[in-house]
Amino acid sequence: DIQMTQSPSTLSASVGDRVTITCRASQSISSWLAWYQQKPGKAPNLLIYKASSLESGVPSRFSGSGSGTEFTLTISSLQPDDSATYYCQQYNSYWTFGQGTKVEIK
Amino acid sequence: EVQLVESGGGLVQPGGSLRLSCVVSGFTFSNCGMSWVRQAPGKGLEWVSDISGSGATTYYADSVKGRFTISRDNSRNTLYLQIYNLRAEDTAVYYCAKCPGDYGSCAFDIWGQGTMVTVSS
Repeated sequence: DIQMTQSPSTLSASVGDRVTITCRASQSISSWLAWYQQKPGKAPNLLIYKASSLESGVPSRFSGSGSGTEFTLTISSLQPDDSATYYCQQYNSYWTFGQGTKVEIK
Repeated sequence: EVQLVESGGGLVQPGGSLRLSCVVSGFTFSNCGMSWVRQAPGKGLEWVSDISGSGATTYYADSVKGRFTISRDNSRNTLYLQIYNLRAEDTAVYYCAKCPGDYGSCAFDIWGQGTMVTVSS
């Protein structure tokens, strides 16, 4: 089974900050990686697919990069509405999620 | 508008059974693979099961293999998850999620609002 490890588990940043979340796969997954945003009591929302493709309707301040085993999600200028938990997901072999990164606004 | 609406959750005793449903609209259901993903209270996301557009191919997480059965009725635009021998650790919100197409691996582009399953005596 492919394991996904995210870091950090939580982060606190100010509005306007550049924020980066890292996701590592236990084996190569090529570019078969997605990022989701989840707010409390809501379903996850797809942000990025195929490691770096921005889902339609998602603000351009979100971007993804990486391939193989190391991936990053970057928020270029953190906004109050970005307070949420972010999950990476591999879909190279079945589906596995990372444990999540909670982003808080200072 | 694409919509996924789950139902069928509730309070069930350990060892009991439940069938979850996900009614979809706004897209050609038979052209899309579908999955169930669950989230235990305060925990992360766990993929549970997937089914191809035709229903011919199914996949299960090891944690539920043998107890969960995924199926679909394309004539009714409905996805199902039959759960047997429920355990306390199955307590979670269960989401149905849609693949953009019917090509196996995919990112889930649309999710339902979820249905809560609570296993307790």
